[in-house]
Amino acid sequence: GDSVTQMEGPVTLSEEAFLTINCTYTATGYPSLFWYVQYPGEGLQLLLKATKADDKGSNKGFEATYRKETTSFHLEKGSVQVSDSAVYFCALTSNSNSGYALNFGKGTSLLVTP
Amino acid sequence: DSGVTQTPKHLITATGQRVTLRCSPRSGDLSVYWYQQSLDQGLQFLIQYYNGEERAKGNILERFSAQQFPDLHSELNLSSLELGDSALYFCASSASWPSGRQETQYFGPGTRLLVL
Repeated sequence: GDSVTQMEGPVTLSEEAFLTINCTYTATGYPSLFWYVQYPGEGLQLLLKATKADDKGSNKGFEATYRKETTSFHLEKGSVQVSDSAVYFCALTSNSNSGYALNFGKGTSLLVTP
Repeated sequence: DSGVTQTPKHLITATGQRVTLRCSPRSGDLSVYWYQQSLDQGLQFLIQYYNGEERAKGNILERFSAQQFPDLHSELNLSSLELGDSALYFCASSASWPSGRQETQYFGPGTRLLVL
């Protein structure tokens, strides 16, 4: 079945450092790919998405490119801030997923220190 | 604020009891999804409703059930509760189902359930 694999956390970075969180997927059909973020004590918010191969999603300085050849959707940010500390979830929906529910990775916790 | 509301925010109950979690989707959204977030299982899809009808089931236990009402709000009923049901339960909504692969799902703040 469909699945998403994220790099294990926690990831600790200093402010202004470069961020990469790796995400790879397995899916039949043509998945759409998402990054959601969960701040402490809050629900999930969509960070960005890409719906077809080679699409780049971007928001708030974060970017991810849908790479079909490597089945990846890595999240990047050039300069992280303390306020980016949160848990980041990679997810997919696909034609093979009845009802198009989100299939999530386990999440990567990010801590940014001043 | 996503526009999705969930009540209650917190719920503490005992094993064997039954609880009802409520979700109101964003205005105009017809699809409602329920997810469970726990430390050991991560985020798991439970069930989806579209315009009052059940559309998909995920890893939902037989002790759990849901429904979506004519005003589109949804309720998740959890019965014969066990310690392992302690988790954060999220509701999400999206505009439509047929094009759902690309639809953004908007999440509520969640209901934290603690079973003692």
